[in-house]
Amino acid sequence: EIVMTQSPATLSVSPGERATLSCRASQSVTSSLAWYQQKRGQAPRLLIYGASTRATGIPARFSGSGSGTEFTLTISSLQSEDFAVYYCQQYNNWPPGTFGQGTKVEIK
Amino acid sequence: EVQLVESGGGLVKPGGSLRLSCAASGFTFSDYNMNWVRQAPGKGLEWVSSISSHSSYIYYADSVKGRFTISRDNAKNSLYLQMNSLRAEDTAVYYCASWETTPGRFDYWGQGTLVTVSS
Repeated sequence: EIVMTQSPATLSVSPGERATLSCRASQSVTSSLAWYQQKRGQAPRLLIYGASTRATGIPARFSGSGSGTEFTLTISSLQSEDFAVYYCQQYNNWPPGTFGQGTKVEIK
Repeated sequence: EVQLVESGGGLVKPGGSLRLSCAASGFTFSDYNMNWVRQAPGKGLEWVSSISSHSSYIYYADSVKGRFTISRDNAKNSLYLQMNSLRAEDTAVYYCASWETTPGRFDYWGQGTLVTVSS
């Protein structure tokens, strides 16, 4: 089973600043990587798929990059509604589609 | 608008059973592969089970294999999860989630239903 490791566990950022989240796979997942946003008490929401394609309705301030084993989610200018937990997930080896443990983006 | 609404969660004793349901609307249910994903309190996401659009392919996580059964009724636009021999570690919010074309990429999610296994 592919293990997904996210860093950091918690990221403290001021509104308007840039946030960079990392995700590493234990073996290559090519570009079959998704990012999800989960706000407190809500279901996850698909943000990015194919490592770099924004899902429908996702603002341009969210961008994804990487391939193989190293991936990055960047939020260019944090808005108040962006403070949440972000999960990466590989779906190259399906099933199972394994998730990372999450990165919490909190207000600094 | 795509809507997935789970129901059937609750408190159950260890060893007991529970059946979850997910009602779908706003899309052609029979075109979509459906899944259950769970989240233990304060923890991350764990895929549980998947069923293809016409039930030809069914998969389970090792942690639930032999205890949980996924099914669907396309005529009723509904997904189910029969959970037997429940354990404390099955305590979680259970989400139904769907994908249409890309296996394992969860495009839509329901709001979840809480299952608590405790004596």
